[in-house]
Amino acid sequence: NAGVTQTPKFRILKIGQSMTLQCTQDMNHNYMYWYRQDPGMGLKLIYYSVGAGITDKGEVPNGYNVSRSTTEDFPLRLELAAPSQTSVYFCASTTHARSEQFFGPGTRLTVL
Amino acid sequence: GENVEQHPSTLSVQEGDSAVIKCTYSDSASNYFPWYKQELGKRPQLIIDIRSNVGEKKDQRIAVTLNKTAKHFSLHITETQPEDSAVYFCAAFSPGGGADGLTFGKGTHLIIQP
Repeated sequence: NAGVTQTPKFRILKIGQSMTLQCTQDMNHNYMYWYRQDPGMGLKLIYYSVGAGITDKGEVPNGYNVSRSTTEDFPLRLELAAPSQTSVYFCASTTHARSEQFFGPGTRLTVL
Repeated sequence: GENVEQHPSTLSVQEGDSAVIKCTYSDSASNYFPWYKQELGKRPQLIIDIRSNVGEKKDQRIAVTLNKTAKHFSLHITETQPEDSAVYFCAAFSPGGGADGLTFGKGTHLIIQP
């Protein structure tokens, strides 16, 4: 099992550009999450999903969108990138909200 | 919603000594408390967790204690080794929060001095 995979690993965007961060898991987990981690800070929840076709906002959803058309994939879309979105983005999945979350390797995004 | 405070933000200990990281939470209904370790440039990984029906849990050199009355829980690492150097995050799961009920602390940077 590959677990949780994310692409790309690194990306530099110009202000106003858009991009999609990909996340895929092969563990048949229903619950999936997107977090951002700013330098020296903890994890802030952007969006989450409890199953295909169901998504909901987390603590910091502004400037982002998600979709969940399959159990495996949970892409995060950035529209009109801003310097404030410079961060490391982690995708995670789990069988249940009260269980271990398995994290992807992260995407380091810089917006200039 | 749940609020998790974690202390200290940085902890430096001599190799072989013990390290203790403390967290407090605000929601008395919280019932699941995981600890994640994040090495530099890597992803967070679960190292130990405890549920509210248990007061203590141990796994080799790592232990977690939970005091529900005081609403705090702690991570204890004994006989610290260089590979223990990392950022450690505590978290608390609040049932009323639904699928996004897990709240993370801000992290503790543990430095093991040789």
